[in-house]
Amino acid sequence: DIQMTQSPSFLSASVGDRVTINCKASQNINKYLDWYQQKLGEAPKLLIYNTNSLHTGIPSRFSGSGSGTDFTLTISSLQPEDVATYFCLQHNSGTWTFGGGTKLELK
Amino acid sequence: EVQLQQYGAELGKPGTSVKLSCKVSGYNIRSTYMHWVNQRPGKGLEWIGRIDPANGNTIYAEKFKSKATLTADTSSNTAYMQLSQLKSDDTAIYFCAMGRALAYWGQGTLVTVSS
Repeated sequence: DIQMTQSPSFLSASVGDRVTINCKASQNINKYLDWYQQKLGEAPKLLIYNTNSLHTGIPSRFSGSGSGTDFTLTISSLQPEDVATYFCLQHNSGTWTFGGGTKLELK
Repeated sequence: EVQLQQYGAELGKPGTSVKLSCKVSGYNIRSTYMHWVNQRPGKGLEWIGRIDPANGNTIYAEKFKSKATLTADTSSNTAYMQLSQLKSDDTAIYFCAMGRALAYWGQGTLVTVSS
């Protein structure tokens, strides 16, 4: 199975900051990388699919980039409601694999 | 509106099996993949496997191949996952989700394994 390494595991930032979260795949996954947000006690929510496509209803401050093995989720201006844990998910190989998650808190 | 309905909680004894359900409304499951994901207490997300309800084809993550069995009933638009030989380590929330990108999620079923 493809392994996904997500960094950092924990992130503290201030309102208005630009925040970046990274995922690295153990092999080429082309563009098949999604990003999810999970708030405490809730099911995950799809933010970005296929590297850089914004899911319906997601604010434009969220964006994704990358290709091959290295991918990034960017929040352009952090808002209080963005406090959550973020996960990447690859689906290139016929199986799906999550990254370990990044817990984002307000400074 | 697409909704995935899961029961809130299940209790299973060690060594037994439990079968979880995920009833979909607002979308025909024949047209999509149905996935199952777990989350152990305080931990991250693990992809268990997916089923194509149109033909019953399944794919599992390696570690769940002998633990989970995925099925689907297109007549009731419901996906199922059976977990066998339950151990305390199987205590987790189990989510169903839909799509190639997992765009729609159920609210999860908490499975507690305890004697």
